[in-house]
Amino acid sequence: EPEVTQTPSHQVTQMGQEVILRCVPISNHLYFYWYRQILGQKVEFLVSFYNNEISEKSEIFDDQFSVERPDGSNFTLKIRSTKLEDSAMYFCASSGTTTYEQYFGPGTRLTVT
Amino acid sequence: QKEVEQNSGPLSVPEGAIASLNCTYSDRGSQSFFWYRQYSGKSPELIMSIYSNGDKEDGRFTAQLNKASQYVSLLIRDSQPSDSATYLCAVDAGKSTFGDGTTLTVKP
Repeated sequence: EPEVTQTPSHQVTQMGQEVILRCVPISNHLYFYWYRQILGQKVEFLVSFYNNEISEKSEIFDDQFSVERPDGSNFTLKIRSTKLEDSAMYFCASSGTTTYEQYFGPGTRLTVT
Repeated sequence: QKEVEQNSGPLSVPEGAIASLNCTYSDRGSQSFFWYRQYSGKSPELIMSIYSNGDKEDGRFTAQLNKASQYVSLLIRDSQPSDSATYLCAVDAGKSTFGDGTTLTVKP
């Protein structure tokens, strides 16, 4: 069964460093998403991406964040100059065009020290 | 600011019982609704989607939507210990808003 994959599973970085989180969406999906979940809190939408451009973004997704589809399979989230409060689980999801059902990857745990 | 509220848990039911999970949403224009299951330390797993008023059944799960009341629910029949998890209600697809979740424990 096709699934969304994410790498790395855990990333530790120092405050102020840049990190890139990687995702491989399900191959025939065309919509891609990033969410985050701070420990013990709700899942929060960050950004959605379609046709090589951002379609929606939340207030959280400020200039510190960027997304890219560098090739036909990967979808990345870059966080510039990380802060302590960026520590969270980051989930990638993808969906097709016939339904809006989103399938989540296993997540990347980002720890900023 | 869209809001999604779920009934506060935790919810505990005996094995074999029906578990009822509820969710209300603030944006009357919302069109798509989803239930996810999230085990501790894992990612959300899609259980059901519902777009029209009424009931939608899939195995032991039934989602119910009432747009006039801005209410969506999930019923789990014949609950099993493996159903013990946090259930997340999410509203809208392009810019999903999630509720806080309801933690369900099914006791053998």
